[in-house]
This record gives sequence, C-alpha cells and structure tokens, in this order.
Amino acid sequence: DPKIIQKPKYLVAVTGSEKILICEQYLGHNAMYWYRQSAKKPLEFMFSYSYQKLMDNQTASSRFQPQSSKKNHLDLQITALKPDDSATYFCASSQGDTQYFGPGTRLLVL
Amino acid sequence: GQQVQQSPSSLVLQEGENAELQCNFSSTATQLQWFYQSPGGSLVSLLSNPSGTKHTGRLTSTTVTKERRSSLHISSSQTTDSGTYLCAIDRNSGGSNAKLTFGKGTKLSVKS
Repeated sequence: DPKIIQKPKYLVAVTGSEKILICEQYLGHNAMYWYRQSAKKPLEFMFSYSYQKLMDNQTASSRFQPQSSKKNHLDLQITALKPDDSATYFCASSQGDTQYFGPGTRLLVL
Repeated sequence: GQQVQQSPSSLVLQEGENAELQCNFSSTATQLQWFYQSPGGSLVSLLSNPSGTKHTGRLTSTTVTKERRSSLHISSSQTTDSGTYLCAIDRNSGGSNAKLTFGKGTKLSVKS
C-alpha cells in the first residue's frame, strides 16, 4: 500500500484559475514538505512543516499556500495559476535523516 | 547558496557492468541522500549517508564530508537500474527542519 498519497496524479488547469494539490502520509511522520520539479530545473524545495506548523518557506510567491488540516495532511493551494507553474509537485515526509517522497502531481497550466 | 553538482550527467552501460556516480557539494552537509527517479518520475530513497560508507544490496555510497563529496557505486548493473540518480544535501540540523537541495542527476541507461 502506498504510504504517501498525492491526488490528483495529473491536473490540467487554465491560466488564472486555482487548484489544490492533496497530500496524505501514513508513515507516522511529524515533518512534511513540498518540492517542485519543472522541466528545466532540478527538484526545488518549497515548504517544510512540523507538527502542522510552517518551518521554512522558500517560495517567493504568496500564490502558493500550504494547508495542514491534520497532522498527516499537507495540501498545497495554488492561486492565479500561470503557465510557468507547470511542473510536477512532490510531497515528502521525514522522521530523522531520511525523506520519503510521494508519487507527485503533474500540473499543466494552459 | 549551496550547490550540488553531479557527474557524469549521463552514463550508458552494458548489463553487468559497474557504475560510479559522483556528487560534489559547495558547503558542509549534515544530511546527504541518494535517490532513484524512475523514467515515470517516481522518487525512491536509496541511501542516507552524510559520512562514511554505507551498503544496501548492490549499492555502496561513500561520503567524505571534509572533501564535500559523495559517490554511489552500483555493482552488476541491470536494465531495471535505468533511470536518473539524484544526490541531495541539507546543511540544517535535519529532522523537521530539513531542506534538501538536489543536483541535476545522472541519467543511467543499462543496455541488455
């Protein structure tokens, strides 16, 4: 059974719209993260959360807002979508020195 | 900022050959992790090795912290090893404050 679930797997959106990417982990970890991988860049750190509190934010734009309704959930709301937001968004969690990644949500903004 | 450089950028092997992948980083790392990214895009953690040598299966990682480098050795390569190998570091104390910085990866192709 998958331990980190991301929904949806694929997402197509129009410019200017808003989407929420879902992440749930069943590893019992207290720390969760979001990363982004676009076609021309390496995987980039976006946010880290611990016990549902924001620890680090490396995303310049306020259009990206993480939301943690439960300890094992960390969703990512993206508003006013732009074509440059097209990427695969990975959720991760950790306990100790190893991070585990979900399967990713592939977002295409037209 | 800190940078992670991986070499080679791509590598083609015949099945059964060994592979040696390199990772160099520009600042002290408290955490270092090797990942495998499948052609379909999924990411799998292979090893966490901030210092010393670690083995798992056909994989051996050696990290020399003072020299800011790590290597990943894959022995007896198989076609299913094909994909991209990513090195990532963190210079925080780890745990809940980890922030991995990734290299661009080494794309490995193993031919039968």
